[in-house]
Amino acid sequence: ETGVTQTPRHLVMGMTNKKSLKCEQHLGHNAMYWYKQSAKKPLELMFVYSLEERVENNSVPSRFSPECPNSSHLFLHLHTLQPEDSALYLCASSQNGAGYGYTFGSGTRLTVV
Amino acid sequence: AQSVAQPEDQVNVAEGNPLTVKCTYSVSGNPYLFWYVQYPNRGLQFLLKYITGDNLVKGSYGFEAEFNKSQTSFHLKKPSALVSDSALYFCAVRVASGTYKYIFGTGTRLKVLA
Repeated sequence: ETGVTQTPRHLVMGMTNKKSLKCEQHLGHNAMYWYKQSAKKPLELMFVYSLEERVENNSVPSRFSPECPNSSHLFLHLHTLQPEDSALYLCASSQNGAGYGYTFGSGTRLTVV
Repeated sequence: AQSVAQPEDQVNVAEGNPLTVKCTYSVSGNPYLFWYVQYPNRGLQFLLKYITGDNLVKGSYGFEAEFNKSQTSFHLKKPSALVSDSALYFCAVRVASGTYKYIFGTGTRLKVLA
């Protein structure tokens, strides 16, 4: 384990369902991120939270809704998704400061049917 | 526009041979450069980074990378490849302080053949 835990590891949901992805880190990091990884595409940054405030939202559809209740937890709430939203969703954390790398979770493999 | 390019989708190398995975970048300001590796069904793992100092940086699992400012490159290298090195490798650049944003390359799949 890397220190960033994502649950569930796999999720299959229908287009009318509501589900949430969870990310937890106990590394003392103060920034957390959601990325989407689709086959043969660059990693897409979705959201950035720094000190529990959203600092970046990269034109993500409103059917994705992030929540960061504290510095250790990050959620991604999902509703009325489309099949093209099927992907690996990665959470990462870091310390503020450009010289610090990310610590990634193992991801949630989401399939929308 | 700021970007990172990994020109090869896949690199094949025989076990025991040296390997190189290429990365070039285009950013304004001082770049902080990173390499990550991803094994199947896992998240990305940090390999190494260049912030400042020696152009040759050493990282995990015997990997190293050379920062070349004039060629704006940061190629990943290993003197002797192992089958277990087979994975997806990502180059990333982060612009100097004031942004949280990484720019990732599209990834290069490394296949080490026994």
